[in-house]
Amino acid sequence: EAGVAQSPRYKIIEKRQSVAFWCNPISGHATLYWYQQILGQGPKLLIQFQNNGVVDDSQLPKDRFSAERLKGVDSTLKIQPAKLEDSAVYLCASSLFSEAFFGQGTRLTVV
Amino acid sequence: AQTVTQSQPEMSVQEAETVTLSCTYDTSENNYYLFWYKQPPSRQMILVIRQEAYKQQNATENRFSVNFQKAAKSFSLKISDSQLGDTAMYFCAFHVVTGGGNKLTFGTGTQLKVEL
Repeated sequence: EAGVAQSPRYKIIEKRQSVAFWCNPISGHATLYWYQQILGQGPKLLIQFQNNGVVDDSQLPKDRFSAERLKGVDSTLKIQPAKLEDSAVYLCASSLFSEAFFGQGTRLTVV
Repeated sequence: AQTVTQSQPEMSVQEAETVTLSCTYDTSENNYYLFWYKQPPSRQMILVIRQEAYKQQNATENRFSVNFQKAAKSFSLKISDSQLGDTAMYFCAFHVVTGGGNKLTFGTGTQLKVEL
């Protein structure tokens, strides 16, 4: 079974630039999560999809972050414009029932 | 709202010894799942062990076992015969299914270092 795929693995951008991350969940998994993990902290949920609908985006900074899940499968997370404090690892996870499977993450550095 | 608390930011253990990581949670739900995830320096989040709240028996996976105390809302992880490869960040996580869908909440993590 293929795991959760994320790209790119690493990204360095200047502040005020835009960036996009891509996630391909495990086939058949209805739930998709995007987490932000700042160094030394636990993952913080940014947005959660159930199929192609948003279940929870209460912690998503909507003035600069956006996300979509096309046809209930792949998802993209965008930041525009980026700030220094957005430097973090962005984790995508998917689940069918209770257990979540994670991708390898995208490490974003904003300089 | 669900909260997960890990009160030990860092721990160390000698190789082959046993270590216990603590986790407490708060919820008003009755049916839920608890997990321990391991995150090595590669940042890949790996599931270590899971526990269903309706099961009284503590989960065990090889050298990893949990002590689940539902009334006390406590969920500790015991690692026996610690190995150097166990060095990682360990996160306790809580999962519940609500009317709004699945909710997966993480604690702040415990950095475990296994030493020679």
